[in-house]
Amino acid sequence: NAGVTQTPKFQVLKTGQSMTLQCAQDMNHNSMYWYRQDPGMGLRLIYYSASEGTTDKGEVPNGYNVSRLNKREFSLRLESAAPSQTSVYFCASRPLNSGNTIYFGEGSWLTVV
Amino acid sequence: AQTVTQSQPEMSVQEAETVTLSCTYDTSESDYYLFWYKQPPSRQMILVIRQEAYKQQNATENRFSVNFQKAAKSFSLKISDSQLGDAAMYFCALEYGNKLVFGAGTILRVKS
Repeated sequence: NAGVTQTPKFQVLKTGQSMTLQCAQDMNHNSMYWYRQDPGMGLRLIYYSASEGTTDKGEVPNGYNVSRLNKREFSLRLESAAPSQTSVYFCASRPLNSGNTIYFGEGSWLTVV
Repeated sequence: AQTVTQSQPEMSVQEAETVTLSCTYDTSESDYYLFWYKQPPSRQMILVIRQEAYKQQNATENRFSVNFQKAAKSFSLKISDSQLGDAAMYFCALEYGNKLVFGAGTILRVKS
């Protein structure tokens, strides 16, 4: 059981380049999330998708776009990468019902130079 | 806006002693959940304990317990009989609707 799988795990981008982080879960979860983790700032929600076909902004959506391709997959796109987007990105998923634990992927280390 | 504040960037505890990690939150919701997650150096996120706002009884999971003060919007985590394996980053989190918002985290160091 793979859980939540993110690719790539490491990426170095030049300022202005674009890229897509891929995420897939095999737990049949309705809700999926993208977070970024920065030192001293904890985990901040970028976008989330409560269910297939819906997406909503989180705390820090600027500079990002998302696509909920199907129930399994939720991708995060950086259209024009900036050094401020250097971070560790986590994809996560969980069942729709309240109180359920959230399952995280292993993280994607992104450096923008 | 819903916010979660962890005012202790770093805490230390002696092995076998007890430590309390603080968390305060702000929400306009009446029904919500609160969580504590542990993140060891591997970056894996592990659920430690959860609390439903409607339940007055404080949640307990083995050596981990919470002090939930709903009126004060406070949700602290107490770790008893601390072990070396408890060393990690701890995050407090608030669920409302479909969103899950995290605090900045507290690094817990355990001294042998």
